[in-house]
Amino acid sequence: DAKTTQPPSMDCAEGRAANLPCNHSTISGNEYVYWYRQIHSQGPQYIIHGLKNNETNEMASLIITEDRKSSTLILPHATLRDTAVYYCIVSLDDKIIFGKGTRLHILP
Amino acid sequence: DAMVIQNPRYQVTQFGKPVTLSCSQTLNHNVMYWYQQKSSQAPKLLFHYYDKDFNNEADTPDNFQSRRPNTSFCFLDIRSPGLGDAAMYLCATSRGFRTYTQYFGPGTRLTVL
Repeated sequence: DAKTTQPPSMDCAEGRAANLPCNHSTISGNEYVYWYRQIHSQGPQYIIHGLKNNETNEMASLIITEDRKSSTLILPHATLRDTAVYYCIVSLDDKIIFGKGTRLHILP
Repeated sequence: DAMVIQNPRYQVTQFGKPVTLSCSQTLNHNVMYWYQQKSSQAPKLLFHYYDKDFNNEADTPDNFQSRRPNTSFCFLDIRSPGLGDAAMYLCATSRGFRTYTQYFGPGTRLTVL
């Protein structure tokens, strides 16, 4: 079973920051937080991952709370191409167990 | 540049007729995974290979088998497809475990008639 809880859907206006929350209250000390997204009819795509510290790359930022029980994925300037299902995953080793994810709608 | 290639993209088979789906990678990654994704559901891990070591998920039906003849190729065999096996089948690779990104192919959509 997935160890994360995400809202089933969210809307965001084009050009605004999209903030996607994830709850992982049972995360263990060695588990990483990963984010993937899946655009319709494509395979999932890696976005970012982190352990304790906040992370940023060319796609997004990941903010992890100090107690590590929740995190937020931030897409700084959402575009229509960011419309997708976003999956938050916690993983220790070889397994990525996908939860239901958040369907993000970018509104023009 | 294609990195994880799945062929065919669409496959139609008949109920009970064996079918093989193919995955190849140009990344020289050690690990290859197969996922099943049914309509409106999240991908579900079926099994993976770390090099030649095969790891089956506990709830993967016996009807599903896999082969990895070399580093680049991995096959998913469905011995007797049922209507419930209609799904998108996703192949993924990673260099190793822990912190290594998984790279997914575009998937093969299987239809069972």
